Amino acid sequence: QVTLKESGPALVKPTQTLTLTCTFSGFSLGTSGMRVTWIRQPPGKALEWLARIDWDGTKFYSTSLQTRLTISKDTSKNQVVLTLTNVDPVDTATYYCAREKTLSVNYYLDYWGQGTLVTVSS
Amino acid sequence: DIQMTQSPSSLSASVGDRVTIICRASQTISRSLNWYQQKSGKAPKLLIYGASNLHSGVPSRFSGSGSGADFTLTISSLQPEDFATYYCQQSYGSVRTFGQGTKLE
Repeated sequence: QVTLKESGPALVKPTQTLTLTCTFSGFSLGTSGMRVTWIRQPPGKALEWLARIDWDGTKFYSTSLQTRLTISKDTSKNQVVLTLTNVDPVDTATYYCAREKTLSVNYYLDYWGQGTLVTVSS
Repeated sequence: DIQMTQSPSSLSASVGDRVTIICRASQTISRSLNWYQQKSGKAPKLLIYGASNLHSGVPSRFSGSGSGADFTLTISSLQPEDFATYYCQQSYGSVRTFGQGTKLE
């Protein structure tokens, strides 16, 4: 079955770079149509879409965060890595990775990781 | 980016009620609209994709409709386990975006 799990530091200091890893199983990012997305959710707030990487290596970023975000994949390890530079306390959030499935003309997030809480504080 | 606006932001309802949540896109998005349910402390779960397609395992009391820029999620008879926050998400643009959420209380 499909599973995803986020990993990374629970605490980072302001101005540092946050690196998160999504390790998944049950599908391959080498398969046409597969995509992995990162989403975050500050405490008590709404979901925010961050970035996506597609099976062919195409990448998309949130317009408001694109200068600070980098997404990459290691297909052989079934991993997707997200980096966020120059973090600030407002980046404190639960970070989720999710698989985006393609079905005909529909694209949706059908499997999600459990999320990892990252706190930015000195 | 395409902006998604949900209404209401919160909704008070009772078991057995029929509930409707609205989601409006800042431009036409055809039927590229998904709905998710999130319970406290948990990851969101997919309910509906493509505006009206029920995801596998989702109870039939959930339904979605709409096209273009206006969409609705309806719960025909609210059950105790349905009290949660609901999010719409557009998958029309390459940069996907979520609505701000509707908390069902």
